[in-house]
Amino acid sequence: DTAVSQTPKYLVTQMGNDKSIKCEQNLGHDTMYWYKQDSKKFLKIMFSYNNKELIINETVPNRFSPKSPDKAHLNLHINSLELGDSAVYFCASSHKPPGLAGGPETQYFGPGTRLLVL
Amino acid sequence: AQSVTQLDSQVPVFEEAPVELRCNYSSSVSVYLFWYVQYPNQGLQLLLKYLSGSTLVKGINGFEAEFNKSQTSFHLRKPSVHISDTAEYFCAVSPGSNYKLTFGKGTLLTVNP
Repeated sequence: DTAVSQTPKYLVTQMGNDKSIKCEQNLGHDTMYWYKQDSKKFLKIMFSYNNKELIINETVPNRFSPKSPDKAHLNLHINSLELGDSAVYFCASSHKPPGLAGGPETQYFGPGTRLLVL
Repeated sequence: AQSVTQLDSQVPVFEEAPVELRCNYSSSVSVYLFWYVQYPNQGLQLLLKYLSGSTLVKGINGFEAEFNKSQTSFHLRKPSVHISDTAEYFCAVSPGSNYKLTFGKGTLLTVNP
């Protein structure tokens, strides 16, 4: 069974389009994350939700809007796609939010969604 | 703010040779340290982590890392690598102030026959 799954695995689209990436975890975790990995493999957090509520919101253009319909799902919608949005987007989850138990939480990552904007 | 430096972007080695992947960090507060591995076209998988206690941490697949507070390092080692260890390895730090993960830029380990 896949613990953290993402769809689609690959996404090729034109500049200016709007697209969504979906993430689901079956680990029973409360917290989910979105990361962006650029062409140089640099990985940076974008958002985090705990039990459907936004808890981390890094400096990300407001064209990116996360949505968590329930604690097992965290989707990422991107409006007006730009060339610079081309990257691999990783979803992750952890049992609890970082810091709640007095320490960091181990994060479990999905396989990634490879987005190419033409 | 914290940062992570992985000193080598690429490390080529021969099969059965030992390997060390270097990681240094900077932080004004106490930190927790992680190593993740990313196999080709896959997501990240946790190799090992240092939270507290013994500074020598053992992980999966025969890897280990040593936390050295005075040198602010957390180098990853394996005494004998296999071709299947070929992957990108990421060091990450989580400060005690906010527990967010900050990743290094990764080291590509290539194991040749």
